[in-house]
Amino acid sequence: NAGVTQTPKFQVLKTGQSMTLQCAQDMNHNSMYWYRQDPGMGLRLIYYSASEGTTDKGEVPNGYNVSRLNKREFSLRLESAAPSQTSVYFCASRPQGTRPNSPLHFGNGTRLTVT
Amino acid sequence: GIQVEQSPPDLILQEGANSTLRCNFSDSVNNLQWFHQNPWGQLINLFYIPSGTKQNGRLSATTVATERYSLLYISSSQTTDSGVYFCAVGAMDSNYQLIWGAGTKLIIKP
Repeated sequence: NAGVTQTPKFQVLKTGQSMTLQCAQDMNHNSMYWYRQDPGMGLRLIYYSASEGTTDKGEVPNGYNVSRLNKREFSLRLESAAPSQTSVYFCASRPQGTRPNSPLHFGNGTRLTVT
Repeated sequence: GIQVEQSPPDLILQEGANSTLRCNFSDSVNNLQWFHQNPWGQLINLFYIPSGTKQNGRLSATTVATERYSLLYISSSQTTDSGVYFCAVGAMDSNYQLIWGAGTKLIIKP
């Protein structure tokens, strides 16, 4: 049981380049999330998807777009990367649905550097 | 919005010591989780505990929802307990978003 899988693990981009971070979960969870973590801080929510077919903005959505491709997959896209987007990105999922208050499960993170 | 404060920000202990980490939150919550981020950056879910007490081995947690705080206890600390411990809460008016504290950085010395 792989849980939440993120790819890639590491990425270096130049300012203005674009890329997509991939996330997949095999736990049949309804809700999926993208967070960023900056040094010395807790996580901040970028976007989330409460269920397949829906996406909503979190605390820090500017500069990002998301796609909930199907129930398993939730991708995060940076259209024009900026140095301020240098961070560690975490994908997470949780059941929701009949269990609205349920634990989050995290992937191992993607370390992104924008030069 | 809801505020989450964790204390202490940093804690250095010798192996074998016990510790208590605190999470205060400013409003009623319907979700509270404790996470451990190990030195390799992995986030591990320790407890889902919006109220009550739970134990898992050397770790236990208590949330007193009416007084808006949660405590994480670590007994007989080991070097592998080192890392950052985060508390995250869900507000009553939201089923989806978690608000995170800034974490407690714990260093266990051998």
